[in-house]
Amino acid sequence: KQEVTQIPAALSVPEGENLVLNCSFTDSAIYNLQWFRQDPGKGLTSLLLIQSSQREQTSGRLNASLDKSSGRSTLYIAASQPGDSATYLCAVGYSGGYQKVTFGTGTKLQVIP
Amino acid sequence: NAGVTQTPKFQVLKTGQSMTLQCAQDMNHNSMYWYRQDPGMGLRLIYYSASEGTTDKGEVPNGYNVSRLNKREFSLRLESAAPSQTSVYFCASSVRLNTEAFFGQGTRLTVV
Repeated sequence: KQEVTQIPAALSVPEGENLVLNCSFTDSAIYNLQWFRQDPGKGLTSLLLIQSSQREQTSGRLNASLDKSSGRSTLYIAASQPGDSATYLCAVGYSGGYQKVTFGTGTKLQVIP
Repeated sequence: NAGVTQTPKFQVLKTGQSMTLQCAQDMNHNSMYWYRQDPGMGLRLIYYSASEGTTDKGEVPNGYNVSRLNKREFSLRLESAAPSQTSVYFCASSVRLNTEAFFGQGTRLTVV
């Protein structure tokens, strides 16, 4: 069974710091990987989608990388702001059917002003 | 642009009652999904619809039924609610399977 792990479960950083969130997966036969943010009591907002053939994707202050051989993706947030405070989730899509998309349990980020 | 709209936002049911969660998207997406989110377990797929006219089971389909009413709407029905179905339910859509997914705001369901 595919497993997706996000460590740490919670992270607190001062404003302005650059930070890295981690997503690890056990099956390297992935189709794509998507990063989301979730604000309390809200739905998920898509941040970045990386296809299995790509190494990284960038959007503004966000950069996501993918290393299939090591089973790892990282989300880099530059110059963090209090508005970045949220839970960040990764979702791994696998070859062999959509029903195999697996979500991590998320990293709760707090950026302190 | 509303995106994905879910109704209701909150609901309390008694054990054994039935209800339907509604979902509509205005992005002309082909694929739609229903997830549940429980503390410490991440999101789990209940059912999905690859395109209008098709539906398939996800990881946790037991106790649920779905209807893809048209391209815009995908509903989730609980025929006989159980306390184990207390959860937050999310609907999502994408252009097609395995592309960027867009989520609704969720329905918080409590079964007592």
